[in-house]
Amino acid sequence: SYELTQPPSVSVSPGQTARITCSGDELPKKYAYWYQQKSGQAPVLVLYEDSKRPSGIPERFSGSTSGTMATLTITGAQVEDEADYYCYSTDSSGNHRVFGRGTKLTVL
Amino acid sequence: EVQMVESGGGLVQPGGSLRLSCAASGFTFSIYEMNWVRLAPGKGLEWVSSISSSGSIIYYADSVKGRFTISRDNAKKSLYLQMNNLRAEDTAVYYCANLAYCSTTGCYDYWGQGTLVTVSS
Repeated sequence: SYELTQPPSVSVSPGQTARITCSGDELPKKYAYWYQQKSGQAPVLVLYEDSKRPSGIPERFSGSTSGTMATLTITGAQVEDEADYYCYSTDSSGNHRVFGRGTKLTVL
Repeated sequence: EVQMVESGGGLVQPGGSLRLSCAASGFTFSIYEMNWVRLAPGKGLEWVSSISSSGSIIYYADSVKGRFTISRDNAKKSLYLQMNNLRAEDTAVYYCANLAYCSTTGCYDYWGQGTLVTVSS
């Protein structure tokens, strides 16, 4: 079955740039989406269609893709950005949705 | 205000059954594909199942295929998940979500707060 690969953890100091990657064979053809999930809360969409920000998401969140890799970048990460981040996409058929295993972002 | 409220979770023995429900309000439920997504303790988000807006197209993750059944009632604005032959590894918080319906007018992404299913003897 299709998999999306993320690093388990990323750590930065406040104000630094955090980059979280997501690798998948279908990403050149399928959009990547990014969710932020804080403990005990429902996930929140922070990027859609590779690089677009939903309304209400701070400009410090941006996204890009290159080949089979999608990247979520948080420019000037803040303590409140500490969370688990998941990339999400679909398999080649578009029928099965897939989440990456998640990346725990630590900002301290 | 958009709301999705899951219910039906609880403690069940291995091999048992549960039926989850998700009641939606504040948006046009009938036009969205809907999904169940789960978060197991210490693990990441896992897509479980999806159902098209009309209910005619359904997909399942391999981990639940043959044991879980998704359905919906657009008149009642409700989504359901019948879970049979439950296993310990099905223990998770189960969310209903539309998973990013995006168009030229924006991206609409709705989630409930989740309901906990615990499978244990």
